[in-house]
Amino acid sequence: EVQLVESGGGLVQPGGSLRLSCAASGFTFSTYWMHWVRQAPGKGLVWVSHINSDGSSTSYADSVKGRFTISRDNAKNTVYLQMNSLRVEDTAVYYCTRSIDCWGQGTLVTVSS
Amino acid sequence: DVVMTQSPLSLSVTLGQPASISCRSSQGLVHSDGNTYLNWFQQRPGQSPRRLIYKVSNRDSGVPDRFSGSGSGTDFTLKISRVEAEDVGVYYCMQGTHWPPWTFGQGTKVEIK
Repeated sequence: EVQLVESGGGLVQPGGSLRLSCAASGFTFSTYWMHWVRQAPGKGLVWVSHINSDGSSTSYADSVKGRFTISRDNAKNTVYLQMNSLRVEDTAVYYCTRSIDCWGQGTLVTVSS
Repeated sequence: DVVMTQSPLSLSVTLGQPASISCRSSQGLVHSDGNTYLNWFQQRPGQSPRRLIYKVSNRDSGVPDRFSGSGSGTDFTLKISRVEAEDVGVYYCMQGTHWPPWTFGQGTKVEIK
C-alpha cells in the first residue's frame, strides 16, 4: 500500500523557516517524481514544487521561487521542502504527492506573529 | 501559465440524479507526446485530494464507474451518472501538459439537495 506521511508543520513567525518532510513507502520511491501542493484555509489546491526521480531537476511556483527548496533522499525514501522567509500568505496545509496521483494527509503550516 | 476554469463553482444535486462539471483550459492540452494530461480530483470534507480520472477519461483504481471523464482540446467534463451521498465534496480539474506550473481549476463544490 502506498503511504505518504508528511511532518514538520507548525506555527512560525513571518520571516522564519520550516522544513517539511514526506516519508514514502509501498512503492519504488526512486522512480517517481514528487510534488508539493498546498491549500490555504478554505481555498483551492495550488501546486508549489516538483522534483524529478533522481533529484537533478526541480521547479517552483513563482510565489515561492527563491524562498523554498525541494530535495529528496532516495536512500531514505523521503522528500523535503525547505521553506525560508515565510510569509503570512504561505499559511496552508502542505500535501506531498507522488506524481500527483497519490497524496499524503498533509501538514499544516501557520505563519503568524 | 495555463488557466483552468471550472463551472459551475457550486452544484446541488438530488440523490440518484446525474451531475456534470465543466473545465476549460486557456490553451490546448495535447502534449507533444500525443497525450492530454487532464486529471480530475475529488476532495471529500476533511480529507486529502484523491485522483479520480487521469488523461481525460481513465479512471483510477477503485473509482466507481459512475464517474466518467471526457473532452478534448480545451474543453473537458466530469460526469457523475447517479450521485450518491459519498460524492459530496469539492472536485478539481488539473492540467499536467504545460508545466511548470501544474495548474488546478478553482474547484466545484458538490452537495446533496
